[in-house]
Amino acid sequence: DAGVIQSPRHEVTEMGQEVTLRCKPISGHNSLFWYRQTMMRGLELLIYFNNNVPIDDSGMPEDRFSAKMPNASFSTLKIQPSEPRDSAVYFCASSLVDRGSEQYFGPGTRLTVT
Amino acid sequence: AQSVTQLDSQVPVFEEAPVELRCNYSSSVSVYLFWYVQYPNQGLQLLLKYLSGSTLVESINGFEAEFNKSQTSFHLRKPSVHISDTAEYFCAVIYWASGTYKYIFGTGTRLKVLA
Repeated sequence: DAGVIQSPRHEVTEMGQEVTLRCKPISGHNSLFWYRQTMMRGLELLIYFNNNVPIDDSGMPEDRFSAKMPNASFSTLKIQPSEPRDSAVYFCASSLVDRGSEQYFGPGTRLTVT
Repeated sequence: AQSVTQLDSQVPVFEEAPVELRCNYSSSVSVYLFWYVQYPNQGLQLLLKYLSGSTLVESINGFEAEFNKSQTSFHLRKPSVHISDTAEYFCAVIYWASGTYKYIFGTGTRLKVLA
């Protein structure tokens, strides 16, 4: 299994531009999570999906952020417009819907907004 | 509200010395407890977890953690660390609320193993 795949691995963009981060979960997993990691705030859960349906988006910082999961094998996190304070590493993770299931994290996308 | 606290942001320790990374949680409901490890420039990986049963759980690389309900703690220990254990360690809890699972990660502890 290739694990969770994220693209791009690095993204540098200018303030005001739209940014789209992509994630392919592990085949067979039915939960998908988006996290943001910064030195100041640590690891924050932004949103997660069960069976392609958003379950908890209370961590999404503001309306500039949106996430979609059109099918079981693909999800996007979009920031429009981007701001310098959005600079962070964004992780996608997938798991089975179960209290005991571990989350498998992707390698992350390092976003820099100048 | 539920929360996870990792009081130590950084822990330096010499190679072959023992280490304990502390994790305390606050919860009014039952929780399931996890430790994840993050090596530089990588995503998190599961180290070990406690769901039920024996309160002492072990990982394949010598780490162990003990669930202490009365002290609401889930500290991570290793009797003898290696240079390769240098990484960031995250404590996490899962609990059921409002018809769904909720996930909370601690702020992480950076373990630096010194030669």
